[in-house]
Amino acid sequence: SQTIHQWPATLVQPVGSPLSLECTVEGTSNPNLYWYRQAAGRGLQLLFYSVGIGQISSEVPQNLSASRPQDRQFILSSKKLLLSDSGFYLCAWSVRGARGTEAFFGQGTRLTVV
Amino acid sequence: GDSVTQMEGPVTLSEEAFLTINCTYTATGYPSLFWYVQYPGEGLQLLLKATKADDKGSNKGFEATYRKETTSFHLEKGSVQVSDSAVYFCALSGGSGGYNKLIFGAGTRLAVHP
Repeated sequence: SQTIHQWPATLVQPVGSPLSLECTVEGTSNPNLYWYRQAAGRGLQLLFYSVGIGQISSEVPQNLSASRPQDRQFILSSKKLLLSDSGFYLCAWSVRGARGTEAFFGQGTRLTVV
Repeated sequence: GDSVTQMEGPVTLSEEAFLTINCTYTATGYPSLFWYVQYPGEGLQLLLKATKADDKGSNKGFEATYRKETTSFHLEKGSVQVSDSAVYFCALSGGSGGYNKLIFGAGTRLAVHP
C-alpha cells in the first residue's frame, strides 16, 4: 500500500532563517506531488505541484521554492523565512493524469516563524 | 483560471440537523469534483467525488450531486452528528490545469453541538 511521510510535524524558526520541509511517498511510482499551505482563515492554497523529476509548477509567486530530486521526494525550501510564511503545510500525492483520481495527504507541518 | 468557491463558515448546527454546504466552481471542460474533510489536527482525506455531470457521490451519509448547468457540487447530510465537526473542502481537477492540478476552495468549518 502507498504511504506518504512528511516531516517535521512542527517547526519554529526565526525570521530570516532557511527552511527545508521534506515529503516522501512509498508504494507508488511516477506520482504527482503537491505542496499546499493552510493559513489561518485563508483556506487551502496550492503552492507547487510536480508531474515528474525536476518538473515544478509554481502557482503563487512568493518566498518559497520547491524541488523534486527523486521520483518520490518533494522538498519545500526558503532561503530566508518571513513572518507571513507561518502556516500549516501539507504535502500530497496523486496518480498522474488519471481522471477523478483522489489526492492523499500527509499529516502536515505546522510552521511558526517568530 | 479554474476556481472553487465555498460558502463561508463557520456553520453551527445541533445534532441531527440537516446540513448543506454550498460549492460552485469555474473551470473549462469537464472537471472532476471532490469533497475532502479535515478533522482537528489531521491532514485531509477524501469524503466523496463525482467525475461527470449528474453523478452523485456519497459516503458516510454525505452526498453531493455534480450539476453542470449550475456549476455546483453542494454537500448535504440529512442528520449530522457531533463527530462530523470538521473543516470541509470542495475541490476540482481536470479543468484548464489538466488532471494533474488539484485546487481547493477556502474550506467551511462545521461545528455540531449535542
